[in-house]
Amino acid sequence: DTGVSQDPRHKITKRGQNVTFRCDPISEHNRLYWYRQTLGQGPEFLTYFQNEAQLEKSRLLSDRFSAERPKGSFSTLEIQRTEQGDSAMYLCASSLAVLAGENNEQFFGPGTRLTVL
Amino acid sequence: DQQVKQNSPSLSVQEGRISILNCDYTNSMFDYFLWYKKYPAEGPTFLISISSIKDKNEDGRFTVFLNKSAKHLSLHIVPSQPGDSAVYFCAASYKDSGNTGKLIFGQGTTLQVKP
Repeated sequence: DTGVSQDPRHKITKRGQNVTFRCDPISEHNRLYWYRQTLGQGPEFLTYFQNEAQLEKSRLLSDRFSAERPKGSFSTLEIQRTEQGDSAMYLCASSLAVLAGENNEQFFGPGTRLTVL
Repeated sequence: DQQVKQNSPSLSVQEGRISILNCDYTNSMFDYFLWYKKYPAEGPTFLISISSIKDKNEDGRFTVFLNKSAKHLSLHIVPSQPGDSAVYFCAASYKDSGNTGKLIFGQGTTLQVKP
């Protein structure tokens, strides 16, 4: 399978706990994105990596959130001191952009469903 | 502010007929538009895209039309099949200062194709 994979698919945690999600993008893709989707809404952009560099973070990404892509391959998204409002589907996507400013479709993983009790 | 809007939460059509899903946007800087399909418990799947320099793009049963003056795009599915039943998202991007390519999504339209 050469698509985007995410782990775990589901996570239930208690308020105040820390959680970490992993995303493995399509291997040759240099761009990686994290989005969050809540019920009845479309995905909302959280953060973006070009290779290993995190180049943009949404204001939705509070200080409790941190993302890494240490070797320009897989990425992790950590949420510290989870709150009930963090309950959502967390989606990872990747794309390949060769030229600056080039637009390409993003390929999404299946997502991680987070439930904070 | 909702820069990409899908004002119809749901649409029901008969198998074999045309499905038309609509999307409006407010940001004139958007220059690339995409449609995604999403089944329950899965991530969005890319369907078709269009650059702002075009007004139509076709791929099999799927055609996307772009009307820049009206800031409106639509997705036509002909003929509709029961397997097309899913949530459809319109998305847009533009060349911001960081060239991130991040997508701005609409709220989605649930399409039901009845046999």
